Amino acid sequence: GAGVSQTPSNKVTEKGKYVELRCDPISGHTALYWYRQSLGQGPEFLIYFQGTGAADDSGLPNDRFFAVRPEGSVSTLKIQRTERGDSAVYLCASSLVGRPTEAFFGQGTRLTVV
Amino acid sequence: DQQVKQNSPSLSVQEGRISILNCDYTNSMFDYFLWYKKYPAEGPTFLISISSIKDKNEDGRFTVFLNKSAKHLSLHIVPSQPGDSAVYFCAATIAQGGSEKLVFGKGTKLTVNP
Repeated sequence: GAGVSQTPSNKVTEKGKYVELRCDPISGHTALYWYRQSLGQGPEFLIYFQGTGAADDSGLPNDRFFAVRPEGSVSTLKIQRTERGDSAVYLCASSLVGRPTEAFFGQGTRLTVV
Repeated sequence: DQQVKQNSPSLSVQEGRISILNCDYTNSMFDYFLWYKKYPAEGPTFLISISSIKDKNEDGRFTVFLNKSAKHLSLHIVPSQPGDSAVYFCAATIAQGGSEKLVFGKGTKLTVNP
């Protein structure tokens, strides 16, 4: 596709459930980032992939959060035992490695935990 | 610890006048500073950037000024148009230890009145 695609656009889940959020980056972009934007806040870094490997996962809030990128393209952010505080917009971005200033963002997935 | 700060949650200006959005930062290791524009239900879109070694960058109606001694940058929009109404995020890039990421401020909501 022409841009970064995230699915689903919206996800409502019950507290305690497991969710997966998907990101399709721009073709050829080896760098992929996940950010989380809570209400009234700016996007906060979660994890950075270079190719298939997570080069920096220091932003993941706890071990309920995990992300994979097995083939160096599509990435999935996984959240176990969801809590109401996980409700936020989850943003994915991609770029060429070494070009974070040229990162393109997807439209985000709005996660609501009820 | 907020490394990038946007202290004005909102700004309202008249069409045709200048909009000035401000941003302060604390980390001297930031490489680039960027401004993103965000409409509701969309991801942030890149607007303009400036290297930490420059003090001004201009692109059409948009100019970013960087004052390194004050750790302050500003975005000027002249003339402002109603279509500029959006949330503007100041962000900075940092690359260290094999990681590269963006650090965002909380955003300023700009309203340009016709």
